[in-house]
Amino acid sequence: EAQVTQNPRYLITVTGKKLTVTCSQNMNHEYMSWYRQDPGLGLRQIYYSMNVEVTDKGDVPEGYKVSRKEKRNFPLILESPSPNQTSLYFCASRNNQAGGNYNEQFFGPGTRLTVL
Amino acid sequence: SQQGEEDPQALSIQEGENATMNCSYKTSINNLQWYRQNSGRGLVHLILIRSNEREKHSGRLRVTLDTSKKSSSLLITASRAADTASYFCGSGATNKLIFGTGTLLAVQP
Repeated sequence: EAQVTQNPRYLITVTGKKLTVTCSQNMNHEYMSWYRQDPGLGLRQIYYSMNVEVTDKGDVPEGYKVSRKEKRNFPLILESPSPNQTSLYFCASRNNQAGGNYNEQFFGPGTRLTVL
Repeated sequence: SQQGEEDPQALSIQEGENATMNCSYKTSINNLQWYRQNSGRGLVHLILIRSNEREKHSGRLRVTLDTSKKSSSLLITASRAADTASYFCGSGATNKLIFGTGTLLAVQP
């Protein structure tokens, strides 16, 4: 089944404790992206990656890191989480072929992160 | 902020009625996409309209796009209780989708 998976689905942690949220897709998509969703603010893009070893900042990159060493994986790293990073996080991927900007994005199920 | 906006923020209708939600965006776009989100879950793609198109249909969905007004509308006809969800528009710029804040649709059986 074609899908985007995220782990963990739920995480409660404390300020300053480094964490990684994993994202993996099995559709051989070149493009992957991370969003955070907050009430009243909708979804905002954190980082995206056009392909392996190619990453770029989205609209709200501060406090986050990403890496793209393999095509299927795009982990989101919070080196020193703070309470304002409490949010619902989504990973997404899409095909870059044949006019990539016109292709739909496939979303993971979300990771609900609480930073105390 | 580059974010778009959906209108209304919330909509409650009876099963069988039509639901219309609107989206405004701020930047130039290649395309505009509509997604549905069931409570706390990931977004699911519904329909895409390119910037050179004015109207598109898919099943019970009809989307329009007015690039001069930077706005789009999504019409769901003959709504069902299962259509209850949040609906987001994503304006497609180069290499990114800029999402609005969503419309929460409740369809009463």
